[in-house]
Amino acid sequence: DAGVIQSPRHEVTEMGQEVTLRCKPISGHNSLFWYRQTMMRGLELLIYFNNNVPIDDSGMPEDRFSAKMPNASFSTLKIQPSEPRDSAVYFCASSRTGEQYFGPGTRLTVT
Amino acid sequence: GEDVEQSLFLSVREGDSSVINCTYTDSSSTYLYWYKQEPGAGLQLLTYIFSNMDMKQDQRLTVLLNKKDKHLSLRIADTQTGDSAIYFCAENPGSARQLTFGSGTQLTVLP
Repeated sequence: DAGVIQSPRHEVTEMGQEVTLRCKPISGHNSLFWYRQTMMRGLELLIYFNNNVPIDDSGMPEDRFSAKMPNASFSTLKIQPSEPRDSAVYFCASSRTGEQYFGPGTRLTVT
Repeated sequence: GEDVEQSLFLSVREGDSSVINCTYTDSSSTYLYWYKQEPGAGLQLLTYIFSNMDMKQDQRLTVLLNKKDKHLSLRIADTQTGDSAIYFCAENPGSARQLTFGSGTQLTVLP
């Protein structure tokens, strides 16, 4: 199994630009999670989906953030417009029975 | 409420045992997890324990669970330099899909 796949691995963009992060969960997993990790705040859950439906988006910082899961094998996290304080590592994780498996993350730098 | 606490740093000598501690607050947690994060990588699931167990051993790893005190520990025997990483404990409260993570413990293995 290829594990959770995320792209891009690194993204550098200017303030105000739109950023789209992508995730392919492990085949057969029906839950998908988006996290953000920073030195200051640690690991934060942004949103999670169950069977492609958003269940809890209370961690999404503000309206500039949106997430979609159009099918069981693909999800996106979009930031529009991006700001320097969005700089972080964004992880996607998937699960089937409880334990979560993480992707390698996307390191986002907004200048 | 849900809160998982860990000490931030631990240093050990190569060959010694490491013990990483974690306390949690939600007594309804059914599973408790340990994850390892190496620099520049995602979180890797190390092991987990079901709440009706007191101990689980997996090669060099031993997990101890004290439900009365809501205390979880991870012991790494014969610690190696490759064990240097951040270790996160996480709980799975009730029937929720999401995990609540601790802040992580940075383990440094000294030669």
